[in-house]
Amino acid sequence: EVHLVESGGGLVQPGGSLKLSCGGSGFIFSGSAMHWVRQASGKGLEWVGRIRSKANNYATTYAASVKGRFTISRDDSKNTAYLQMNSLKTEDTAVYYCASRRWSTVTTLQNYWGQGSLVTVSS
Amino acid sequence: QPVLTQPPSASASLGASVTLTCTLSSDYSEYNVDWYQQRPGKGPRFVMRVGTGGIVGSKGDGIPDRFSVLGSGLNRYLTINNIQEEDESDYHCGADHGSGSSFVWVFGGGTTLTVL
Repeated sequence: EVHLVESGGGLVQPGGSLKLSCGGSGFIFSGSAMHWVRQASGKGLEWVGRIRSKANNYATTYAASVKGRFTISRDDSKNTAYLQMNSLKTEDTAVYYCASRRWSTVTTLQNYWGQGSLVTVSS
Repeated sequence: QPVLTQPPSASASLGASVTLTCTLSSDYSEYNVDWYQQRPGKGPRFVMRVGTGGIVGSKGDGIPDRFSVLGSGLNRYLTINNIQEEDESDYHCGADHGSGSSFVWVFGGGTTLTVL
């Protein structure tokens, strides 16, 4: 059974930092790209960024709204991905989900999501 | 990059059928779209990918046969037959755009499905 579990959320002041973790099991973590997606209360999903697999040189890409402030990393030996968030703004308040994506065949996508971790940026 | 548009709400009676729509912005008629189910208080769950020819690849883990997709023009449809109480969820559509350093993953605003 596949599990993705986020942790590390909480309350932080504007301008502060927070680091989220995402632990995975039950799927090929090392072969998967790991994404972070956020959802503000009552709103839709917003992609934050991704880190690709070792085969793709652990390349990272970020949404314009977080570029330069957020950093995604991974430790395949621990089946864990991370989201380091710096210079946080009130508009970063959201539930943060990690999601894995891997192409098991040319046309078949394996995509799994965690249950989310709430980040609240407020003074 | 494409913009995905979804109606904010839909409803259907228990045992009936409903079709949800995700509309791509113009110039993106060849794009595939992924459907996600998000039950209240839970993370999204991959349902399946749809292109102009219908399903692309396989359904997500545990997705029942009652769920099917079609694609036509700029629209990508998710149909749920014999609706059950557990189908009451938010349904999101998403699409990849670009590759490498230009990659983005875009989502529609989501449709809340109410089972009557």
